[in-house]
Amino acid sequence: DTAVSQTPKYLVTQMGNDKSIKCEQNLGHDTMYWYKQDSKKFLKIMFSYNNKELIINETVPNRFSPKSPDKAHLNLHINSLELGDSAVYFCASSQESSGLAGLNEQFFGPGTRLTVL
Amino acid sequence: AQSVTQPDIHITVSEGASLELRCNYSYGATPYLFWYVQSPGQGLQLLLKYFSGDTLVQGIKGFEAEFKRSQSSFNLRKPSVHWSDAAEYFCAVGVYGNKLVFGAGTILRVKS
Repeated sequence: DTAVSQTPKYLVTQMGNDKSIKCEQNLGHDTMYWYKQDSKKFLKIMFSYNNKELIINETVPNRFSPKSPDKAHLNLHINSLELGDSAVYFCASSQESSGLAGLNEQFFGPGTRLTVL
Repeated sequence: AQSVTQPDIHITVSEGASLELRCNYSYGATPYLFWYVQSPGQGLQLLLKYFSGDTLVQGIKGFEAEFKRSQSSFNLRKPSVHWSDAAEYFCAVGVYGNKLVFGAGTILRVKS
């Protein structure tokens, strides 16, 4: 069974559209994350949620809005897509950490490759 | 500010040869250090981590890494590389605020 799953795996869309990427984990973890990997493979955290509460929001444009309906899901909604949003987006989850990253291992999903035309 | 540097963008080694991937970090407090591997089209898998204690840590798939505080380094090693090790490797430091800061990655190519 997949521990952290993301849908869709590939997403091709036009500039200006609004799209969502879904993430689900079946590990019983309390904390979930979104990372962005750009064309140069540089991986950077965008958000983290702990028990549906936003913990980290790294200087991400407010066109990006994470939504956590329950602690097993963290969806990423993107409004008014721009060319620069093209990237691979990774979801991850971990047991709750007491402020120290990775004190518990982060498990990553397979990624969603977003292409904005 | 915290950062991670992986000086080598690409490394090519022969199958059966030894491997060392370099990682240097910048962080004011005691670092929590990680190595992840990303196979093509896949997510990231944790190879090993260092929190405290023995500075030589063992990971999965025969990898090990050594933490050297004096050099701010956490280099990844494997004594004998297999073709299936070809992938991209990321070093990361865990910082307060519950996040990982990643290096830019090193692509490993294995030639037979």
